[in-house]
Amino acid sequence: EAEVAQSPRYKITEKSQAVAFWCDPISGHATLYWYRQILGQGPELLVQFQDESVVDDSQLPKDRFSAERLKGVDSTLKIQPAELGDSAMYLCASSITGSGNTIYFGEGSWLTVV
Amino acid sequence: GEDVEQSLFLSVREGDSSVINCTYTDSSSTYLYWYKQEPGAGLQLLTYIFSNMDMKQDQRLTVLLNKKDKHLSLRIADTQTGDSAIYFCAESPSGGYNKLIFGAGTRLAVHP
Repeated sequence: EAEVAQSPRYKITEKSQAVAFWCDPISGHATLYWYRQILGQGPELLVQFQDESVVDDSQLPKDRFSAERLKGVDSTLKIQPAELGDSAMYLCASSITGSGNTIYFGEGSWLTVV
Repeated sequence: GEDVEQSLFLSVREGDSSVINCTYTDSSSTYLYWYKQEPGAGLQLLTYIFSNMDMKQDQRLTVLLNKKDKHLSLRIADTQTGDSAIYFCAESPSGGYNKLIFGAGTRLAVHP
């Protein structure tokens, strides 16, 4: 069964350093999402792509976070500089375009900022 | 605005039924979902219901939707220790692009 691939699974970084996460969606899925899940909370959408275009980044802290999906396939989420409050799990997900289509999640990337 | 609320914790005895409740605010949501998250893992889709339905059954899972009260529930029959996890309710607001708004999750603990 096709899966959403994410790496790294775990990352520990020092405050003020840069960190990047990579995601490869299920083949053929034009819509890609990055969610952030703080411990004890539900996932919150950071950014949503339709092919290579950003369609929703209203909750992305743009002063330190950036996301790209240059060829409309895999995607990178970057944080620079990392802050203590960025410690969370970063979940990538993908779906076929259109309302109601199932959104599939990867295993997530755990970030700890020390 | 869009908001999803769930009770935070549920404890049941193995073999009993579990009922996890959720309320949502966007009455135009066309789909409502239940996801399961085991420790340290991503989210696994359990089931979903279309807004014009009031019940959906899938093996041990039963989803009930009360659209008037914007209330969704997930019943797990014959709960097993392997069902211990966090269960997230999510709504998919209509209009715009397909996306999910999640609740904070209900932690289900199953004890012998």
